[in-house]
Amino acid sequence: KNEVEQSPQNLTAQEGEFITINCSYSVGISALHWLQQHPGGGIVSLFMLSSGKKKHGRLIATINIQEKHSSLHITASHPRDSAVYICAANNNDMRFGAGTRLTVKP
Amino acid sequence: DTAVSQTPKYLVTQMGNDKSIKCEQNLGHDTMYWYKQDSKKFLKIMFSYNNKELIINETVPNRFSPKSPDKAHLNLHINSLELGDSAVYFCASSQGRDEKLFFGSGTQLSVL
Repeated sequence: KNEVEQSPQNLTAQEGEFITINCSYSVGISALHWLQQHPGGGIVSLFMLSSGKKKHGRLIATINIQEKHSSLHITASHPRDSAVYICAANNNDMRFGAGTRLTVKP
Repeated sequence: DTAVSQTPKYLVTQMGNDKSIKCEQNLGHDTMYWYKQDSKKFLKIMFSYNNKELIINETVPNRFSPKSPDKAHLNLHINSLELGDSAVYFCASSQGRDEKLFFGSGTQLSVL
């Protein structure tokens, strides 16, 4: 079993829908990262969290340290949000989830 | 200016060869990393360097060696390449170990 589990594995949404991607981890962490990998392959860091909640534009990330769970929310989704979203738990070394492939249809 | 640049973007080589992938960051960051993304798109950390000290080394074959001539560079050397080394390799940097990551664009290595 992977130490970092993401759900769902694949997600298809209509433009404008509210999106939630979940990440659960089984190890103690110092930080959790949310990454976005576009179809072209480039990786962009969206958030780095150690507690609470962060917001950037239409993206919101939350983390519950006690429950070892984090969520990434996208409000008013758009086709350009289509990408693979990856969570990564930092515990002396970094453990990655398998990614959630999001497709937003116009 | 690209913050984290790695070269080459594509590398096709024969089994048994030795190759290097270069990485440079102009962000003034203290920590640099190498990651491997396999054919199933699963990412795994290989190395990180902080102030010229190797601080993480996952179970990576010793055919792989990171070389950091200075704080802005972390190159990846691979000896005796094997078919299973085919993957996309990403370089990244951050100000500290628990800080936001900045990624290079990746190097797709194909070993024939």
